[in-house]
Amino acid sequence: EDQVTQSPEALRLQEGESSSLNCSYTVSGLRGLFWYRQDPGKGPEFLFTLYSAGEEKEKERLKATLTKKESFLHITAPKPEDSATYLCAVQAGLAGSQGNLIFGKGTKLSVKP
Amino acid sequence: ETGVTQSPTHLIKTRGQQVTLRCSSQSGHNTVSWYQQALGQGPQFIFQYYREEENGRGNFPPRFSGIQFPNYSSELNVNALELDDSALYLCASSFMANSEAFFGQGSRLTVV
Repeated sequence: EDQVTQSPEALRLQEGESSSLNCSYTVSGLRGLFWYRQDPGKGPEFLFTLYSAGEEKEKERLKATLTKKESFLHITAPKPEDSATYLCAVQAGLAGSQGNLIFGKGTKLSVKP
Repeated sequence: ETGVTQSPTHLIKTRGQQVTLRCSSQSGHNTVSWYQQALGQGPQFIFQYYREEENGRGNFPPRFSGIQFPNYSSELNVNALELDDSALYLCASSFMANSEAFFGQGSRLTVV
């Protein structure tokens, strides 16, 4: 069964304290791994897509990496405005198949000034 | 370029009633997916529509149904509402069935 597990469930950081969020997955044929940011009561905001092991993508203080079993979202020198829930999702299956996303439960990040 | 918009943003229904949620996809996108997100959980896939045809369904009962219109907007209909249907319902649109999905702000449904 395709599955996504995120850790930790919650993470509290001081402003400027760098850290990483983990997303481990087991899927039958990974087509893509996605990171989203979600603020309370809002829809997920797209951050990154990673397609193959070794791939890395960066956006401001965020950097996403991918291996064959997991992905990391590295946050460098976070600011209070980075506080949100970060969701990881995978898309699995054959080319041309439905593109449903399988989500983890998310990591709730709090950054204190 | 307009993003994904959903309506209504909040609604309260009584158990046993029916509800229709609406979604306008992002310009240029022909695929719409619906997700249910319970409090503290990740979104769960309900179904996907690609060019007006259902293109996959998650583990949800038949009382969850949908439609996609020629302009690629979509509706999610839930019959015989149960208390456990209380959740944030998310619509996502994408250019193709398995490309990046962009989400709307969601519709918060409370069943009492």
